[in-house]
Amino acid sequence: KQEVTQIPAALSVPEGENLVLNCSFTDSAIYNLQWFRQDPGKGLTSLLLIQSSQREQTSGRLNASLDKSSGRSTLYIAASQPGDSATYLCAVRGSGGSNYKLTFGKGTLLTVNP
Amino acid sequence: GAVVSQHPSWVICKSGTSVKIECRSLDFQATTMFWYRQFPKQSLMLMATSNEGSKATYEQGVEKDKFLINHASLTLSTLTVTSAHPEDSSFYICSATRGTADTQYFGPGTRLTVL
Repeated sequence: KQEVTQIPAALSVPEGENLVLNCSFTDSAIYNLQWFRQDPGKGLTSLLLIQSSQREQTSGRLNASLDKSSGRSTLYIAASQPGDSATYLCAVRGSGGSNYKLTFGKGTLLTVNP
Repeated sequence: GAVVSQHPSWVICKSGTSVKIECRSLDFQATTMFWYRQFPKQSLMLMATSNEGSKATYEQGVEKDKFLINHASLTLSTLTVTSAHPEDSSFYICSATRGTADTQYFGPGTRLTVL
């Protein structure tokens, strides 16, 4: 059974800092990995999706990397802003028979202080 | 785009009543919809997978008689929490996809509070 762990559970940084969020998964047989943002009481916003054959994806100040063999992904946020404050969720999609199912981590709660 | 809506966005009900939550794909046909539940500071947990025109597939530990899912059209799936109890209070999120292998697009969620 796939398990996804996100470290740290919470992170507080001053505005302008670069930061890294970590995600690890137990079963490396994945189809893809996705990073989401969730604001309090809201749904999910997809940030980046990395296919299993890719090593990284970039969008603006965000860069996500994937090391499938070691079961790890990182989300790098450059020059953080208070508007980046949210919970960041990592989810992996399996490549087996149930390849449409997403397994989520518990998320990292990010607070960027002005 | 691929927009998914949910209604209501929040609901408060008394214990023992039933609550229906709607999930709609607004600009695409969703052959498959997923229902998730999220408790505070916890992961999203998949409850069931719903394919248009067929019975939903429930995850282990999810009571199908308590959480009734209907996916009667390509743009609408409903989740009915029957005889709701305080322990059912949670954030329910749906997602929709054009096919089971495609990207899931998530709705904004419904906050259910059972008194």
